Amino acid sequence: GNSVTQMEGPVTLSEEAFLTINCTYTATGYPSLFWYVQYPGEGLQLLLKATKADDKGSNKGFEATYRKETTSFHLEKGSVQVSDSAVYFCALSPRGGTSYGKLTFGQGTILTVHP
Amino acid sequence: DVKVTQSSRYLVKRTGEKVFLECVQDMDHENMFWYRQDPGLGLRLIYFSYDVKMKEKGDIPEGYSVSREKKERFSLILESASTNQTSMYLCASSSNYRGLTGELFFGEGSRLTVL
Repeated sequence: GNSVTQMEGPVTLSEEAFLTINCTYTATGYPSLFWYVQYPGEGLQLLLKATKADDKGSNKGFEATYRKETTSFHLEKGSVQVSDSAVYFCALSPRGGTSYGKLTFGQGTILTVHP
Repeated sequence: DVKVTQSSRYLVKRTGEKVFLECVQDMDHENMFWYRQDPGLGLRLIYFSYDVKMKEKGDIPEGYSVSREKKERFSLILESASTNQTSMYLCASSSNYRGLTGELFFGEGSRLTVL
């Protein structure tokens, strides 16, 4: 079956530090890949996505590249801010049939950024 | 903007009670989902629905049922609540158009405590 593995947290950084959160996946075929973010007290919201190999998703200074050869979709940001403190989820969506929107999520990584 | 509204942010129930969690979306999405979120386990799919009156089991359906009588509304039912169902419950929806890339829109969550 499909699965997503994220690096374990929590991750604690100082403001302006570089961020990497690793994500690897197992899936048949060519899934779409996502990063979702959950700010305190809120639901999840889409941060970025990539739908095919070598695609780079980007938003709010975050980037992730779909690497089929390593089955990875690592999240990076060059300079984090306190406002980036949240829980980050990597997810995949298989293609076809009634699989639309049926995402498989990683366990989530808690990020805390200190001033 | 898409809005997914969950009826209760916080609920406290007793073991054995019947619990209803309601979710309404206002964007005419075909697909709706109920996930459960627990620390260290990420999000796990309970049930989803891709059309009115249609439902499919997710990864952890035991102890839950769902109802979708209208396109905009998807209810999660705990017939006899147990303490191991204490959790955060997240409703989500997606369009079959956007569903080609699996983008989900989430509600803010319902935190259920079963005593």
